[in-house]
Amino acid sequence: AQSVSQHNHHVILSEAASLELGCNYSYGGTVNLFWYVQYPGQHLQLLLKYFSGDPLVKGIKGFEAEFIKSKFSFNLRKPSVQWSDTAEYFCAVNAGFAAGNKLTFGGGTRVLVKP
Amino acid sequence: SAVISQKPSRDICQRGTSLTIQCQVDSQVTMMFWYRQQPGQSLTLIATANQGSEATYESGFVIDKFPISRPNLTFSTLTVSNLSPEDSSIYLCSVDRVTGELFFGEGSRLTVL
Repeated sequence: AQSVSQHNHHVILSEAASLELGCNYSYGGTVNLFWYVQYPGQHLQLLLKYFSGDPLVKGIKGFEAEFIKSKFSFNLRKPSVQWSDTAEYFCAVNAGFAAGNKLTFGGGTRVLVKP
Repeated sequence: SAVISQKPSRDICQRGTSLTIQCQVDSQVTMMFWYRQQPGQSLTLIATANQGSEATYESGFVIDKFPISRPNLTFSTLTVSNLSPEDSSIYLCSVDRVTGELFFGEGSRLTVL
């Protein structure tokens, strides 16, 4: 079964600092990878996704993520955070129809950006 | 994208009762899923709602506790039965447009007293 690990449960940083959130998954086959964000009091929104092609994907709000197949990783980055990036971030993996075509989420990382 | 409407958005229920949550999508979708997000935790898949057949439940979730209906390609319901305080969670409906990307409803926040 597929699983997803997010190493940081909580991250606190100041505005303009750089952000990197780790995500590793366990599944040997082809995967689709996602990062979702949940702002306080709001529902989940898709930040970015990787299906194939360029392993460096760019999403909304200046976020990007890099898929490193050899490391089973899909880390999220933002060069300079803003106070409005305070949210919870979830990494998710879909291993396709062979694995039930279901999305498995990591435990989430709560990010607090101090003004 | 897909517009997903869930009802109720929140409810407070007494233990031992049941709550049925409705999920309506603005267009036909192949895959519909029900997730649970317990306080301070990540999302856990409860089941895949299959149109015209019984739902497929994940380990730890059973039909008697979480009966699901999916009468057509745009609608599903999740019932949480015999409620206990441990069932207090946000329940989320989500849909997949074949690409593997899920779209989520705004969730139904359940509090059990």
